[in-house]
Parts: sequence; structure tokens; C-alpha cells
Amino acid sequence: NAGVTQTPKFRVLKTGQSMTLLCAQDMNHEYMYWYRQDPGMGLRLIHYSVGEGTTAKGEVPDGYNVSRLKKQNFLLGLESAAPSQTSVYFCASTPRPQETQYFGPGTRLLVL
Amino acid sequence: QQPVQSPQAVILREGEDAVINCSSSKALYSVHWYRQKHGEAPVFLMILLKGGEQKGHDKISASFNEKKQQSSLYLTASQLSYSGTYFCGTEPSGAGSYQLTFGKGTKLSVIP
Repeated sequence: NAGVTQTPKFRVLKTGQSMTLLCAQDMNHEYMYWYRQDPGMGLRLIHYSVGEGTTAKGEVPDGYNVSRLKKQNFLLGLESAAPSQTSVYFCASTPRPQETQYFGPGTRLLVL
Repeated sequence: QQPVQSPQAVILREGEDAVINCSSSKALYSVHWYRQKHGEAPVFLMILLKGGEQKGHDKISASFNEKKQQSSLYLTASQLSYSGTYFCGTEPSGAGSYQLTFGKGTKLSVIP
């Protein structure tokens, strides 16, 4: 039982490049979330999903897209990376909103 | 809108007590508390639900004042392992609330 895993752990991009971050969970959770964490800002929600095939915008969705084609996977895409997207990205999952969110280990992204 | 946490930072000696507060401008259904150590993912501590149900940690307690939209986390007889940044996440009342909004965090340092 691996819990929530994220791939990759660290990535450096040049401005304008694209990439996809993968989040996988093996707990059969319905709800999945993508957050970004910047110094002094806490965790801010980018996008979330309430089940396979569904996605919704969070607090800071601009510049990101997501997909949930399989229940266990939640992908976060950056079509054209910008330096402002330099951050640590966390994925989380939960069986329902009133339960704990289980976080992945994070992905550190540096955009030059 | 992010909930407001106070204090922003606190330094304790082992064995001392601390209170961390979380205040929202919205009516809340639940408040979640997480602790994050440097370079790691947030870890669940506590959930407080509207109506008084509390789920969480047996060495840390919390309160939830629904009328004032406030929650407090109580850390008693602090240990070195309590060091980290504490975040509250709030879930607003109302249908379709599937997401948490996190505060900016309270950095707690416990020294010998």
C-alpha cells in the first residue's frame, strides 16, 4: 500500500516548455486535489476532482490543466511554463471531504 | 478567501503549552488541522465538524466555535517533535463544498 505517490520528485523547466505531473493513489479514493505551496502562502488549491472523469477549478487554476481518466490517477499539466509557476506541488486524496486528506511527497518545480 | 491564522510564529521550550488560532470570514462546516515539517508533506492532525464531532490526534486537542467561525489548536506539554508549521484548512457550509482553503500557517519551534 504505497498511499499517494507523485512523479517526478524534482524538475527544471525553461520558460515556455510543457510538462505533466502525475499523482497516483492506491486507496480507491474518490476525491483528489492539486495544491501549490509557495513560501509564506500556505497551500493553495489549483484543481480538484470528485470522481473519475470529473475536474473542477480551485483557487489558482490559471496556467494549469488537469485530467482524471482513471480513478487512481490525477494529472496536472503545464502547457507553457512561466517562472511564476516555480513552486512545490502537492497532490492529495480523500475518500470524502470530511475525512483526512492524504498528501503525496511533493514535486519541486523550477522554471527558469 | 484564506482563513487567518495567529500567531504567525511561536517559540516554545519543551514542556510549555501553545495555542494556535484559525479564523474565517465564512460560515464553516469543518476545520482541518495539519502539521508540516520542513521538506515534507503535510500530515493530518485533527478534523472538527459542525455539530461538535471531533476526529483526530490523542495528544493534541482543538475546539471549533461555529458561531464565530473560529478554531483553536491546543498543544500541551510540547515535545521537540511538535516543531513544524501548522496549517488549518476550512470547509465552508453549503452544498457542493468539496474543497479546503488553507491558512498561511503558524511556525512552531520547540527548543530544549
